[in-house]
Amino acid sequence: ETGVTQTPRHLVMGMTNKKSLKCEQHLGHNAMYWYKQSAKKPLELMFVYNFKEQTENNSVPSRFSPECPNSSHLFLHLHTLQPEDSALYLCASSHTSGIYNEQFFGPGTRLTVL
Amino acid sequence: QKEVEQNSGPLSVPEGAIASLNCTYSDRGSQSFFWYRQYSGKSPELIMSIYSNGDKEDGRFTAQLNKASQYVSLLIRDSQPSDSATYLCAVNGDGGNAGNMLTFGGGTRLMVKP
Repeated sequence: ETGVTQTPRHLVMGMTNKKSLKCEQHLGHNAMYWYKQSAKKPLELMFVYNFKEQTENNSVPSRFSPECPNSSHLFLHLHTLQPEDSALYLCASSHTSGIYNEQFFGPGTRLTVL
Repeated sequence: QKEVEQNSGPLSVPEGAIASLNCTYSDRGSQSFFWYRQYSGKSPELIMSIYSNGDKEDGRFTAQLNKASQYVSLLIRDSQPSDSATYLCAVNGDGGNAGNMLTFGGGTRLMVKP
């Protein structure tokens, strides 16, 4: 595997379910990100992890819970979601520190909340 | 609130023409700028990065940056139907050791007609 991978690619869940999204990067990066992309809205940054430490939580509701066990893996745990949480969830990674580091995205997980 | 603005389009150009995509940003402190291409149903793909005023060329793509006027543009020469996609402008939101936090514009949809 190369680049940034995400699983599952598609997920349908009810509002009472608990599920997790997984992201893995094979680029030797130290920073990982979760973004949400809804229809007709710009990409929204949700969480940033730098060397496994969360450095940014962009006012995300607590029903989204991130986990970063190491610099290569990132999870997003989901519970009691709402239909408006249906969106494309994208993971990205970059080298850490400095402002010139380019972010590379995974293929995304298309989430539908019923 | 840091903002990145793009005309949503669609921008329609004939095959072989030059497509010009524009982006303005609000934060004068921004220092790195990126263009991503996103095909329908896919994740964003990095195509250009630019950090200094002036032009940067890569194949058929040229990125132009003017920090004084706070705009960045992307020119696509000899446009092909395969260039039809949404182009996202991204601007670094913060520097230092917190990772590269990007603010995205809403994207411009480009249509290249044969």
